[in-house]
Amino acid sequence: EAQVTQNPRYLITVTGKKLTVTCSQNMNHEYMSWYRQDPGLGLRQIYYSMNVEVTDKGDVPEGYKVSRKEKRNFPLILESPSPNQTSLYFCASSHRDTEAFFGQGTRLTVV
Amino acid sequence: GENVEQHPSTLSVQEGDSAVIKCTYSDSASNYFPWYKQELGKRPQLIIDIRSNVGEKKDQRIAVTLNKTAKHFSLHITETQPEDSAVYFCAASIRNEKLTFGTGTRLTIIP
Repeated sequence: EAQVTQNPRYLITVTGKKLTVTCSQNMNHEYMSWYRQDPGLGLRQIYYSMNVEVTDKGDVPEGYKVSRKEKRNFPLILESPSPNQTSLYFCASSHRDTEAFFGQGTRLTVV
Repeated sequence: GENVEQHPSTLSVQEGDSAVIKCTYSDSASNYFPWYKQELGKRPQLIIDIRSNVGEKKDQRIAVTLNKTAKHFSLHITETQPEDSAVYFCAASIRNEKLTFGTGTRLTIIP
């Protein structure tokens, strides 16, 4: 089954404790992205990647890191999480010029 | 960068009536305009998309129109049904490389 898989689905952590949210796709997509969703602000892109070892900042990259060492994986790293990073996070993947498929979402709470 | 504005933020329509959601974009180079539907607690899913070489596209009760000159595009849902209740997001991108989303419209269908 074609899918984008994020883990974990829910995470509560404390300020400053490094965490990684994983994202994996099995559709051989070149493009992968991370978004955060906050009430009233829609989906805002954090980082995107057009292929292996190619990443670029989106609209709200501060406080986040990503890597794309393999085509299928695109982890999101928060080196020192802060409460303003409490949000719902979505990973997405696509071929060029086609539909973006979203993961199930990760609800992160930073206390 | 691209800026996408979406209106209205909330919309309530009587079951069976039509609903229209409008978006404007700022970057004339954008050439791909998808619409996503997000049901409560779920991931966004593509419902229809349009490319800049097409003025209108229809899929059963859903249609999208694009006016490149005015840089706006709209989603039209006819004969609305209770299952159409959701949050709808428009987006714009250049070749799907960097999707910029609108802030969303919460559509409520009143039985």
